[in-house]
This record gives sequence, C-alpha cells and structure tokens, in this order.
Amino acid sequence: GQSLEQPSEVTAVEGAIVQINCTYQTSGFYGLSWYQQHDGGAPTFLSYNALDGLEETGRFSSFLSRSDSYGYLLLQELQMKDSASYFCAVLTGYSTLTFGKGTMLLVSP
Amino acid sequence: DTAVSQTPKYLVTQMGNDKSIKCEQNLGHDTMYWYKQDSKKFLKIMFSYNNKELIINETVPNRFSPKSPDKAHLNLHINSLELGDSAVYFCASSQTASSYEQYFGPGTRLTVT
Repeated sequence: GQSLEQPSEVTAVEGAIVQINCTYQTSGFYGLSWYQQHDGGAPTFLSYNALDGLEETGRFSSFLSRSDSYGYLLLQELQMKDSASYFCAVLTGYSTLTFGKGTMLLVSP
Repeated sequence: DTAVSQTPKYLVTQMGNDKSIKCEQNLGHDTMYWYKQDSKKFLKIMFSYNNKELIINETVPNRFSPKSPDKAHLNLHINSLELGDSAVYFCASSQTASSYEQYFGPGTRLTVT
C-alpha cells in the first residue's frame, strides 16, 4: 500500500522558521510535491523534488532524500498568511498523485 | 479568468437523490481529475481522464460516474446519494498525465442530509 506520514499540526510565531517533515512508503516514486491549502480554499502547488537535494523558491524550500524516503518543506520568515494546511504528495505513477494527511500550520503573532 | 472552475460551489441534498458537479479548465491541459476531501482533510484521487479517456479509476462506488465530453470538461454524476458522500469534491487538471503540478478548482462542498 501507499503511506505518507507528516505531523498533524505545527505551531510557530511570525518571523520564525518551521520545517514540516514527510516520510513515505509507496510502491512507485517519481517525485515529492508540496501543496498549500488555506481553510475553505483549494490546494495550490508549492514545489516538487524529483532528485535528492534542496529546491528553493523564495521563502519556501523543499528537500528530498530518496534513499531515506524522506522530504521536508522549510518555511522561512513566517507570516500570518502562511497559516494553512500543507500536504506532501508523491507522484507514484502515471497520473497518480498520492497525498499525505496534511499538516496544519498555525502562525501566531 | 479562472483556470479551473467548478459548479456548484455548495450542494445540499437529501439521501437517495442524484446530483451532478461540473468542471471546466481553460488552461489547455490534457489531463483532468476528481478528488474527494473528507472532513479530516484527507485528499484522495477518484478518477483521472487524459484527452477524454479514463485512465485512473480508484476504488469508488459505481454510484459515481465521471464523464468527459471534451478535454476541457469533466463532470461527476452521483446516483443514490448517501450520508457518507458528504465531502468537498475537487476537480483538478495538469498539462499531461505525467505532470507533477496539478491545478485545483475551488471545490464543491456536498452535504447529504
């Protein structure tokens, strides 16, 4: 079966750095994606890693270690608007994106 | 212009009824999807269509029937609605079936009473 594990909730203060981890066990692996979803909104794509290493996009970075079946999303200079749910998702095959259960990030002043 | 749109945004109906949700994308993408997000926010793929052809059909009751009249549209018809069907249904699209970036519609919140 497919399983993706990520923490259910993370809290942090404005301006801080937070890391959301994701470990996966899947029958196929093409890459790891991250999506952000605000309450009542749609998931929106943040980043994708197909190869080991760090990808940086502004305040957000994503890391992948294929040998450890592990990745993380790093959010820097946290802002109130970053309060949302963050999902890791593995591209397991043709047209198949398997999502984790999501991590709710609460950013306080 | 909205990239992926869905109608209706909210749908409240009684058990046993039949309902449809419509989805359209104006991105010129080849692949479209239906996802179900339950009350615990778990997002699960239901169906995937590539150029109007069904390519993914997860373990979903036969009461759910997708239909793609053309590659810009993907509709979802649900027969004999049950309480457990209450969820948010998201349509999504991607450039190709092997694309890792999917664009989601705003969702349809279905409540079955």
